Amino acid sequence: EVQLVESGGGLVQPGGSLRLSCVGSGFTFSSYWMMWVRQAPGKGLEWVASINQDGSEKYYVDSVKGRFNVSRDNADNSLLLQMNSLRTDDTALYYCARGLGLTPHYWGQGKLVTVSS
Amino acid sequence: QSVVTQPPSASGTPGQRVTISCSGSSSNIGSKYVSWYQHLPGTAPKLLIFRNNQRPSGVPDRFSGSKSGTSASLAISGLRSEDEGNYYCAAWDNSLSGVVFGGGTKLTVL
Repeated sequence: EVQLVESGGGLVQPGGSLRLSCVGSGFTFSSYWMMWVRQAPGKGLEWVASINQDGSEKYYVDSVKGRFNVSRDNADNSLLLQMNSLRTDDTALYYCARGLGLTPHYWGQGKLVTVSS
Repeated sequence: QSVVTQPPSASGTPGQRVTISCSGSSSNIGSKYVSWYQHLPGTAPKLLIFRNNQRPSGVPDRFSGSKSGTSASLAISGLRSEDEGNYYCAAWDNSLSGVVFGGGTKLTVL
């Protein structure tokens, strides 16, 4: 059974940093694109970042470029999202997802990130 | 404002067939596969359709997808109360180099 479990998140002040982690199990982690998708309160789904199988390709939504960094450790089956210079509009439930091609297939349960003073 | 457009709401009565549309452009839906997701309150999104019209194992055949040009549709037949929730289309966008989601459609079962 495919499982994705996120950790990290929480409350941070504007301008602060936070790191999200996601551990995958039940599949060959190194064979899949991985991605982060978020949902702000009362809003729809928004793709945040994607990384290919060996970490050599990374893509980001414009609003997080230069502030967020996606990475992976295939030895540990883990996906990371380092979030810097956080803004109030980054407040959202962040989902880790395994790709089917370039779009999400399996999703984690999500981790809440709240940016507030 | 999403580059991929969905109607904000749809509704139907139990047993009916409803369709949800998704309109994009040549850089996304027109040239890439479309996926559809069901997002029920308090749960993680679930993949319903991939590669325009393929169902993952375990998804009932009441759910079907189609694509024509720069538009796609999700059809749900034999509507059930448990189908009530939000539905999203998504595709890779070659111009943006990223995944684009539609704004989502809230389905109400009357």
